[in-house]
Amino acid sequence: EPEVTQTPSHQVTQMGQEVILRCVPISNHLYFYWYRQILGQKVEFLVSFYNNEISEKSEIFDDQFSVERPDGSNFTLKIRSTKLEDSAMYFCASTRGAGQGSYNEQFFGPGTRLTVL
Amino acid sequence: GENVEQHPSTLSVQEGDSAVIKCTYSDSASNYFPWYKQELGKRPQLIIDIRSNVGEKKDQRIAVTLNKTAKHFSLHITETQPEDSAVYFCAASIRLVGGGSNYKLTFGKGTLLTVNP
Repeated sequence: EPEVTQTPSHQVTQMGQEVILRCVPISNHLYFYWYRQILGQKVEFLVSFYNNEISEKSEIFDDQFSVERPDGSNFTLKIRSTKLEDSAMYFCASTRGAGQGSYNEQFFGPGTRLTVL
Repeated sequence: GENVEQHPSTLSVQEGDSAVIKCTYSDSASNYFPWYKQELGKRPQLIIDIRSNVGEKKDQRIAVTLNKTAKHFSLHITETQPEDSAVYFCAASIRLVGGGSNYKLTFGKGTLLTVNP
């Protein structure tokens, strides 16, 4: 069964550095998401991406964050200047999408644990 | 925005007993309620979901109920087994711009279920 994949599994960086988290959604999916989970807290929505543009972003997703789908398979989350509080597990998710009124499972990747020192 | 509360945060049961996890949500516009299971070190995986036009849904030992008026929904696991031990997350979702299956999930904090043999 196809799965969402994410790389790296663990990223350690210094405060102020840029990081790029990579995701490969399931190939025929249309909607892409990033979520994050700070240790011991809720999984939080960051951003959704559809038709090559952001369709919704949370207040967490400030100017330091950006997303891109540079080709037909990858979906990336960039944090320009990392802060200590960006340390979290970042999950990518994707959904098939099947027309108006339909609900489809969001498939999650295994996550990237980002540690900012 | 949407707020989802989940209780209890930990739940310990004996094998064969039932387990119930409860969630409440705040936004009456939420219309899709998935439950995810996350085993240690693994990705969240959908185990059951329910839409706002349905009051109850069952899949083998797992059932979910929804009370739209009270804005709460519950997960019921019967005849629990040790392999049911995991963290369970409820979520409420609102459809986003872009229609189709584009929606964002607002998660509860999770319930650590331990099934003792």
